[in-house]
Amino acid sequence: DIQMTQSPSSLSASVGDKVTLTCRASQSISTYLNWYQQKPGKAPDLLIYAASSLQSGVPSGFSGSGSGTDFTLTISSLQPEDSATYFCQQSFTTPWTFGQGTKVEI
Amino acid sequence: QVQLQESGPGLVKPSETLSLTCTVSGGSVSSGNYYWSWIRQPPGKRLEWIGYIYYSGNTDYSPSLKSRVTISLDTSKNQFSLNLSSVTAADTAVYYCARVQTANWFDPWGQGTLVTVSS
Repeated sequence: DIQMTQSPSSLSASVGDKVTLTCRASQSISTYLNWYQQKPGKAPDLLIYAASSLQSGVPSGFSGSGSGTDFTLTISSLQPEDSATYFCQQSFTTPWTFGQGTKVEI
Repeated sequence: QVQLQESGPGLVKPSETLSLTCTVSGGSVSSGNYYWSWIRQPPGKRLEWIGYIYYSGNTDYSPSLKSRVTISLDTSKNQFSLNLSSVTAADTAVYYCARVQTANWFDPWGQGTLVTVSS
C-alpha cells in the first residue's frame, strides 16, 4: 500500500496568515493527489483534485501543488471558517489511502 | 445535485455482519461515469477506503478487508450496500458512502453513520 504522511499534525495560526500543509507519498503518485476539508461531525469535502485543480465552489484562497511524492496545500489568507482538519488522499492505485490529517486551529 | 445518505443499524454485535445501505438521489448508480464507494473512519484515526462497485457489478476491495467485505448494487432502488462480516470492536467507525469521480477522488460524500460493535 502507498503510505501518505502529512505534516504538521496540527498548527495554530491567525486570521490572515498564509498556511502551508504538506503531504508526502511513500512512492511516486504523479499528480494523483486530492485534498479534503473535514469539520467536526461532518463528512469530508473535496477541496483540490489532481494535485492542483480547485473543486467548484471552493474559495480561491485554497491552492494545491506538487507531483511525484511531495505535495502542498496552501491557504493564502486564513479565515475563521477554515478551522478544520485537512486530509490528503492518493488516487494513483488501489487501495486508495489517506494521510493522517492536519488540524488547523485559528 | 447528487446526494448520498447512509442507513443501517448503529449497533452490531461482535462476530455478526454489519450491513449498511447508501441511497443516491439526484443521480443514478447505473451511470457508467462513476464508481460508488465505502470509506470508514475509526474514532481518532485516519480515513480508510473499504471498496467500490461499478454499475457493471465489478468491484474492488481493500486487501485488508477483502475476505470480509461485499459491496452490492440495487439499481431498481438506486442504492448500493456494504456487508462486513465477522465484525470486532476494531470495526467500530463512522462509515461513509461516496461517489468516485474521474481520477478517483471522492465527491460527494454521505453524511456518515456511526456503527459501534459491542455486545
